[in-house]
Amino acid sequence: RKEVEQDPGPFNVPEGATVAFNCTYSNSASQSFFWYRQDCRKEPKLLMSVYSSGNEDGRFTAQLNRASQYISLLIRDSKLSDSATYLCVVNVMIYNQGGKLIFGQGTELSVKP
Amino acid sequence: GAVVSQHPSRVICKSGTSVKIECRSLDFQATTMFWYRQFPKQSLMLMATSNEGSKATYEQGVEKDKFLINHASLTLSTLTVTSAHPEDSSFYICSARDKASGGGSYNEQFFGPGTRLTVL
Repeated sequence: RKEVEQDPGPFNVPEGATVAFNCTYSNSASQSFFWYRQDCRKEPKLLMSVYSSGNEDGRFTAQLNRASQYISLLIRDSKLSDSATYLCVVNVMIYNQGGKLIFGQGTELSVKP
Repeated sequence: GAVVSQHPSRVICKSGTSVKIECRSLDFQATTMFWYRQFPKQSLMLMATSNEGSKATYEQGVEKDKFLINHASLTLSTLTVTSAHPEDSSFYICSARDKASGGGSYNEQFFGPGTRLTVL
């Protein structure tokens, strides 16, 4: 079983649509949670951190449920420029090694005009 | 700020040759750098954690003799793929953690632009 699981998609949506991505993680030692965005053949870029209280950044809303080990990302009013792969990422603390990031496979989003 | 560079951005080599990839933190000091590998349509997989002045910590299944890591300074880590074969063709990405961020459970990692390796 993968440590971080995501639906790979692709999600094909029209401009202006609302789209939701889900992610589950298996390691209970996970301490920090993030959504990254990766454009084709580029490095991942931090989109936002995810907190249990939920957090919003413009059109993007992220939510964490520690009890069910579930993370979500909601994108409202999709733009063409939102087309990318969205990576669910958790930071796991390893004794004597510090934290390391575990990446999900990514969910591909394609926003069409 | 917090810029990480990688060189080269793309490399094509013959099977059996060795390839060195450099990762530099340009405007901060990084005590810890990370090397990832990403195959098409797959997630980034951590290969090793590189600490300045000490040996790298490799993830399970990653051959330390094949993927040599050197972190000789606070701004430079290198990954050498020795005797590369076609199955080593992949997208190699480094990231760096800012020393100035101090301790704590998480310090943001800044990613380099990646190096695309093709072994013929």
